Amino acid sequence: SYELTQPPSVSVSPGQTASITCSGDKLGDRYACWYQQKPGQSPVLVIYQNNKRPSGIPERFSGSNSGNTATLTISGTQAMDEADYYCQAWDSSTVVFGGGTKLTVL
Amino acid sequence: EVQLVESGGGLVQPGRSLRLSCKGPGFTFGDYAMSWVRQAPGKGLEWVGFIRSKAYGGTTEYAASVKGRLTMSRDDSKSIAYLQMNSLKTEDTAVYYCTRVRITMVRGVIIGAYFDYWGQGTLVTVSS
Repeated sequence: SYELTQPPSVSVSPGQTASITCSGDKLGDRYACWYQQKPGQSPVLVIYQNNKRPSGIPERFSGSNSGNTATLTISGTQAMDEADYYCQAWDSSTVVFGGGTKLTVL
Repeated sequence: EVQLVESGGGLVQPGRSLRLSCKGPGFTFGDYAMSWVRQAPGKGLEWVGFIRSKAYGGTTEYAASVKGRLTMSRDDSKSIAYLQMNSLKTEDTAVYYCTRVRITMVRGVIIGAYFDYWGQGTLVTVSS
């Protein structure tokens, strides 16, 4: 079965750029998306189809996907961006999630 | 405004059944595939299954971990999606989220899918 691998945790200073990676075999040949989940809340879609932002998501969130790695980039990270982030892709009629990355804004 | 409202969660004994409901006001429910995603306490997201819109046959797909025990259905006249959970196990304990699915198709083949709206979740606890 297809697997997506994320680092368990990433730390960033306020105002700096955070990058969260998601690795999978030939992931660049698929569409990747990203969800943000804050404690006690439902996940929110922040990036879909590799690099598109839903309405209402700040421009500081961006995405890319090439080779075996998709990347979520948060520019000018703010304290409110501290959350768990999950990547997701589609494989053979199933949905696959990465294990999640806890982003800490120090 | 798109809304997804789950109900039906609770405490249930192992081996018993439970049916979750997801009502979706605020959009043309029948035009969309719907899915369930669960999250065990302190764990990550796990996809459970999804049901296509009637326009695409209303067929279902399931994660291997739940195939044969969990069944999705829909009643578009009521804008409700259901998740029938049978032979429940302790490892089914989780918050269950209902999601709206956006599907990308090329020449009739699904090449991508993502969840653009999520409900607030309903907690299912399987314990004796």
